[in-house]
Amino acid sequence: AQKVTQAQTEISVVEKEDVTLDCVYETRDTTYYLFWYKQPPSGELVFLIRRNSFDEQNEISGRYSWNFQKSTSSFNFTITASQVVDSAVYFCALSLDNNDMRFGAGTRLTVKP
Amino acid sequence: NAGVTQTPKFQVLKTGQSMTLQCAQDMNHEYMSWYRQDPGMGLRLIHYSVGAGITDQGEVPNGYNVSRSTTEDFPLRLLSAAPSQTSVYFCASSYTGGYNQPQHFGDGTRLSIL
Repeated sequence: AQKVTQAQTEISVVEKEDVTLDCVYETRDTTYYLFWYKQPPSGELVFLIRRNSFDEQNEISGRYSWNFQKSTSSFNFTITASQVVDSAVYFCALSLDNNDMRFGAGTRLTVKP
Repeated sequence: NAGVTQTPKFQVLKTGQSMTLQCAQDMNHEYMSWYRQDPGMGLRLIHYSVGAGITDQGEVPNGYNVSRSTTEDFPLRLLSAAPSQTSVYFCASSYTGGYNQPQHFGDGTRLSIL
């Protein structure tokens, strides 16, 4: 069965701290995609990054970075020098080629000034 | 460019009533989907469509119907509302391929069943 686990329900940090959001997935498929989405307090869902199962290159985009490790079935997300505007719920998602899409339960990040 | 538009934004129903949640996109996306978001459970896929005339079930399809007569529209029908269907519903769309494409989400419909 396909599953995504985000073990951290809530995280609270002070502005400028670094924070890592964990994502562990389960699937027997060899072809899949992983995504991160952000849901700010306004409620909309915003796409952040996509990674396919054959590309283990880490990625950095400004203050955001992602670490994909197939050996541990993890796709973790790090925010460097966090800001108040980073406060949101972050979802990790697993997508298979049969259109089965599974989201994690989300991690609520609060960045305090 | 409106993106994905959902209506209504809020709705209160009584148990047993039926209603349709509307979803329209203007990006000519082939893939469209419906999710429900419940506290502590993330988003769960209800139904999806890979193109006009083609629909399929997701993880939690029971109690919901969909149809896709045009590329733009993908309505979600609740046949006989139950309190367990109280949730926030999101419609999403993406380019052909669905599973490997980022999804564009609507703003959501908050539905309460009394």
